[in-house]
Amino acid sequence: AQSVSQHNHHVILSEAASLELGCNYSYGGTVNLFWYVQYPGQHLQLLLKYFSGDPLVKGIKGFEAEFIKSKFSFNLRKPSVQWSDTAEYFCAVNAGNSGYSTLTFGKGTMLLVSP
Amino acid sequence: SQTIHQWPATLVQPVGSPLSLECTVEGTSNPNLYWYRQAAGRGLQLLFYSVGIGQISSEVPQNLSASRPQDRQFILSSKKLLLSDSGFYLCAWRMTETQYFGPGTRLLVL
Repeated sequence: AQSVSQHNHHVILSEAASLELGCNYSYGGTVNLFWYVQYPGQHLQLLLKYFSGDPLVKGIKGFEAEFIKSKFSFNLRKPSVQWSDTAEYFCAVNAGNSGYSTLTFGKGTMLLVSP
Repeated sequence: SQTIHQWPATLVQPVGSPLSLECTVEGTSNPNLYWYRQAAGRGLQLLFYSVGIGQISSEVPQNLSASRPQDRQFILSSKKLLLSDSGFYLCAWRMTETQYFGPGTRLLVL
């Protein structure tokens, strides 16, 4: 069975600091990888996704993530965070050939950016 | 464009009462639909998914059930709520390999 591990439950940063949120998954086959974000009081939104090709993917709002197959990792990064990035971030994975595309989520990382 | 609706937004129910949460999708046909529960510090747990009318797969055995009476309608139910059913329930639909989520229903069982 797939599993997803997010390294930090809570991260506190000052504005303009750099961000890296860790995500590791366990699944030996082809995977699709996702980062979702949930801003306070809002829907869970797709931030970025990786299916194939360039392992460095860029998402909305200046976020990017790098797929490192050998490390089973898909870490999320942003060079300079803003107060508005305060949210909960979820890493998710599904088996690439799954007909039903069930997603397995990590437990989430709550990011608090202080102004 | 596609949109997904959930209601109610918030619900407070006594232990032992029944439950019915509704999810509807607009702008697409024959979507794969999913129910998740989000609990603090535990991420999102997949409860049920459906690939078509009347087709339900359960991921985790528990006090809940799901039904899909129409193509774009997905219902989460319980006959008797437990305290442990409290949480934030999210419905999602799938386009290609990406899932998109509804606004959620916050359920508090007292």
